[in-house]
Amino acid sequence: DGGITQSPKYLFRKEGQNVTLSCEQNLNHDAMYWYRQDPGQGLRLIYYSQIVNDFQKGDIAEGYSVSREKKESFPLTVTSAQKNPTAFYLCASRSAGETQYFGPGTRLLVL
Amino acid sequence: GESVGLHLPTLSVQEGDNSIINCAYSNSASDYFIWYKQESGKGPQFIIDIRSNMDKRQGQRVTVLLNKTVKHLSLQIAATQPGDSAVYFCAEARGGSNYKLTFGKGTLLTVNP
Repeated sequence: DGGITQSPKYLFRKEGQNVTLSCEQNLNHDAMYWYRQDPGQGLRLIYYSQIVNDFQKGDIAEGYSVSREKKESFPLTVTSAQKNPTAFYLCASRSAGETQYFGPGTRLLVL
Repeated sequence: GESVGLHLPTLSVQEGDNSIINCAYSNSASDYFIWYKQESGKGPQFIIDIRSNMDKRQGQRVTVLLNKTVKHLSLQIAATQPGDSAVYFCAEARGGSNYKLTFGKGTLLTVNP
């Protein structure tokens, strides 16, 4: 996990509710990523940011939003538009050209 | 299409044996490959990486082999231990220093005592 923290570890969402997952890193990494993992599946890229105040959509961005106001923080909001939000969410970060490291993950469940 | 796949979804070995986990990729432009280990309920942990200008790289008890001719990647774990039980993912990267990773579905390695 290194210097990447994610909170909370478990998060429960009610129907129609927006929820925000936190990701913080103290590694001075420029790039940060959000992935979604479903049971028995690989990781799919939701959003990524290579620099502060800039981010790009990944492969499955619909129903999600992000911000990158600080280098060390990259929160992910799961909006009510995401109809199947139950999954394990993983944040990652890296420096340019270096290895990508992951946080411990947040498991999102729908009530 | 572009993809990263695994030959076997599960692998069961005896403690002390060597394990080999395979991965195929389809994009010859891929220039960086990473193996991750993921234990249940945890984030992926970096194991070893290799760049496309290399054929082999060794770490502690692990070796990654890259065969660009047949677009094949393998992870060898020597003297497999119960703590090695996990899902192993290979990831393929393109795009130079600002790369994005594409992950395979993973192989579940079970080590029997």
